[in-house]
Amino acid sequence: ETGVTQTPRHLVMGMTNKKSLKCEQHLGHNAMYWYKQSAKKPLELMFVYSLEERVENNSVPSRFSPECPNSSHLFLHLHTLQPEDSALYLCASSLTSGQVQYFGPGTRLTVT
Amino acid sequence: DAKTTQPTSMDCAEGRAANLPCNHSTISGNEYVYWYRQIHSQGPQYIIHGLKNNETNEMASLIITEDRKSSTLILPHATLRDTAVYYCIVKEDSSASKIIFGSGTRLSIRP
Repeated sequence: ETGVTQTPRHLVMGMTNKKSLKCEQHLGHNAMYWYKQSAKKPLELMFVYSLEERVENNSVPSRFSPECPNSSHLFLHLHTLQPEDSALYLCASSLTSGQVQYFGPGTRLTVT
Repeated sequence: DAKTTQPTSMDCAEGRAANLPCNHSTISGNEYVYWYRQIHSQGPQYIIHGLKNNETNEMASLIITEDRKSSTLILPHATLRDTAVYYCIVKEDSSASKIIFGSGTRLSIRP
C-alpha cells in the first residue's frame, strides 16, 4: 500500500465511449503524474502536475485530457480512444516535482 | 538525462543475495542513481537512491563505484516476492528532471 489509489482497476470501453480514470494520494504530496505502460514497452510519462498546475504534457493526443482539481486528486478523461490506447495507466505522486515518486496500482484499460 | 545499461534478465536462488548491475558511464556530477522495481501488473515501487556514497535501507543496498560509472543493487536475502523488473535510473534531483524508465532487468528468484 503506497498511499496512492486508482479507480477503476480494470476498464473496458468502446471507441465511442467517454470514461474517466481517477487517482487519489493520501501522502500530502504536491506533484502528480500520469504514465502509460503498453505491453512490452517502457513506461511513458504523459502528464505532470505541480501544485495543481500542468507543467508537462509529453505530446499526448487530445483524446486524453487530464484534470487536477486539487493536490490530492488527479483525473484522466478519455474519449474516442483507439485500440492501441489499451494499456496500463499508472498514477504517481511525489512531495515536489522531481523527487521520489510513489505509484498507484494502475488501471488496466482495454479499448474495443 | 544519462542513459543506463542493465542486463535483460537474471536469476537468483531464494535466500541468496541478488546483485543487479547497472552501467551509467555518462552520468553527470549532479545526477543521482535511483532504483525502482515493478512486480507483475503492479505500479513501480521505489527502492533506494544515492549520489556517490553507498546507501542501505530496509529493502536493499546500493553500491556506487568511485568513478560513479556503474552501480550495483543488492537484495541481501532474496525471496520469491522479489521477482520483478528492476529499473536503474539516473536523474538530477530537480523539479525539471524526469524519471525515464528503460527496459530494466527481469529478476527471477527460484525456490
